[in-house]
Amino acid sequence: NAGVMQNPRHLVRRRGQEARLRCSPMKGHSHVYWYRQLPEEGLKFMVYLQKENIIDESGMPKERFSAEFPKEGPSILRIQQVVRGDSAAYFCASSPRQESPSSLGRAFFGQGTRLTVV
Amino acid sequence: RKEVEQDPGPFNVPEGATVAFNCTYSNSASQSFFWYRQDCRKEPKLLMSVYSSGNEDGRFTAQLNRASQYISLLIRDSKLSDSATYLCVVNAGNNRKLIWGLGTSLAVNP
Repeated sequence: NAGVMQNPRHLVRRRGQEARLRCSPMKGHSHVYWYRQLPEEGLKFMVYLQKENIIDESGMPKERFSAEFPKEGPSILRIQQVVRGDSAAYFCASSPRQESPSSLGRAFFGQGTRLTVV
Repeated sequence: RKEVEQDPGPFNVPEGATVAFNCTYSNSASQSFFWYRQDCRKEPKLLMSVYSSGNEDGRFTAQLNRASQYISLLIRDSKLSDSATYLCVVNAGNNRKLIWGLGTSLAVNP
């Protein structure tokens, strides 16, 4: 049972380019969360998705960032026209279908994508 | 006031020591509480959930104080392998969004 798979593990982009980060949740998980961790800072929630639905994107910057979780395939976090300040570790987590509050927080994380903007 | 606050440390302790971390949260409606562990440049991993009555998992004990709005993590008989950053995580309400503390850094020394 593979865990949460993120790729690429490391991504280098020049300023102005686009970055695409992919996340395949654990088998049977239909909830995906994206987090950003800036150097020396805590994890910051970005977006929560279910298949074909964005449930909560309150942590997403208003411009240049978008996320999707299509019916087939991985979830994608897309950053357009990257800037140096986008350099960070981006973690994806997935959790089971259960809705009970006790299951919340038992998310399984991928190993992250470290984005470096040069 | 931050939604979840932790002492960043670092806590430097010798092997075998007992160490405790606290974490305060601001939203009294918070429902679920967790401790995660994050090793340097790795992903966070769930250490344990925190239940109202307190709970123990081997050398680790977690407690919740709703009145004072804090949770704690106690590590007994520290091992070198316990060196990591410990993240306090709170779910506030029904929106499934987790609020993360910045973490407390622990270094266990031989």
